[in-house]
This record gives sequence, C-alpha cells and structure tokens, in this order.
Amino acid sequence: ETGVTQTPRHLVMGMTNKKSLKCEQHLGHNAMYWYKQSAKKPLELMFVYNFKEQTENNSVPSRFSPECPNSSHLFLHLHTLQPEDSALYLCASSQEVRDHGYTFGSGTRLTVV
Amino acid sequence: GQQLNQSPQSMFIQEGEDVSMNCTSSSIFNTWLWYKQDPGEGPVLLIALYKAGELTSNGRLTAQFGITRKDSFLNISASIPSDVGIYFCAGAGNQFYFGTGTSLTVIP
Repeated sequence: ETGVTQTPRHLVMGMTNKKSLKCEQHLGHNAMYWYKQSAKKPLELMFVYNFKEQTENNSVPSRFSPECPNSSHLFLHLHTLQPEDSALYLCASSQEVRDHGYTFGSGTRLTVV
Repeated sequence: GQQLNQSPQSMFIQEGEDVSMNCTSSSIFNTWLWYKQDPGEGPVLLIALYKAGELTSNGRLTAQFGITRKDSFLNISASIPSDVGIYFCAGAGNQFYFGTGTSLTVIP
C-alpha cells in the first residue's frame, strides 16, 4: 500500500469506552500529525511527531493520548470522551516537520454517544 | 489565534464556468498552499507557493502568492463536476494554519 492509511473509517463509542485510532504511512516520511476537523471550523492541529518523538501538543485534553512506536505508525488512544469530541480525525505525514505539503489519510469519523 | 479568512464560503456554479476564491490573513506567510477535500476523504495538496508574486498552475488550476504575502488566490478554469469539494488554503510562517474552506458545487 502507498499513502497514508487510517483505520477504522468510522467509529461510534460511548463516553466510558476506550478505543484507538490507527494511522500508517508507507511514504518514508519522518513527520506525522493528528488533526481534528469539525464542521465550519479550520483544521485543528493536535499533535506533531518527528522521528517518532512528540514535538508539539496543541493543548489537547488528556483524554486523547497519542503514541508513535516508529516513524511509520501513529495511534490516537481515546478514553472517556465527550460528545463534543465527535469529529473527523485526520492523520497526515510529511517528509520533514517544516515541509507543509502534507499527505493526509482519509480520516476516522468519530461519533461519541 | 491566527485566522485565515477564505472567501467565498460556498459557491454554486454551472459546469464550464470559471471559479475564483481567495484567502487573506492579518499576518505575513512564507508559504501558501491549496488543498482540496472530496467528500469522505482527507485533503489533497493541489498547489504550493513559496515566493511573493509567484503564479503556479496545475492543469486547470492556477494559484497566486499575493505580493503583500498576506493573501493567496486560486482559480479553476472550465469547471467540471469532479471539481466538487471543499478547497482549503493554508499558510506557513512561524506556525502553520488552515483556512475555513470554500465549498464548491458544480451543476452539470
């Protein structure tokens, strides 16, 4: 596979559940990102990883916990979410952190009930 | 925080018409980018601009980096139904920001 792959595509979870989003890239990129996309709002940067080290946490609540075991894989662990966390969660990668020509995945549509 | 204002918010046009949209900022950027997001998919990079005044084309798409470095423009010529989607501008300076998007509907 090429590009950035996100699973699952859709997720419905209760506020007490624990779930994880997965992102995988086969582009040889060194930087990976999590973005949140809500209706009528600009994409919101959540986390940045460079060479599997977290370099930016954009004041994200601790109920979102990222994990980057290597430069090709990125996870977002979710627990005790709120209904307002319902959104499209997008993963992206780029060759380097300063390269803004991102390749995005198709996203995970999350609904918190 | 920084806001990139995209205009218009939405457009409904006839197939074959040309489209123009723009993005403005209160800050200066070093790089402007334009992305397109199809329904149910992530954004895809269309054009990247690195120099004030730069004009770059990608097929029927043409984008310009404004001289003031505070704005950028995207034009689509002879629109076709598959141009439907949301177009996002993005600007990079000290930080990187996305605009709120322009939703384009093409009526066959």
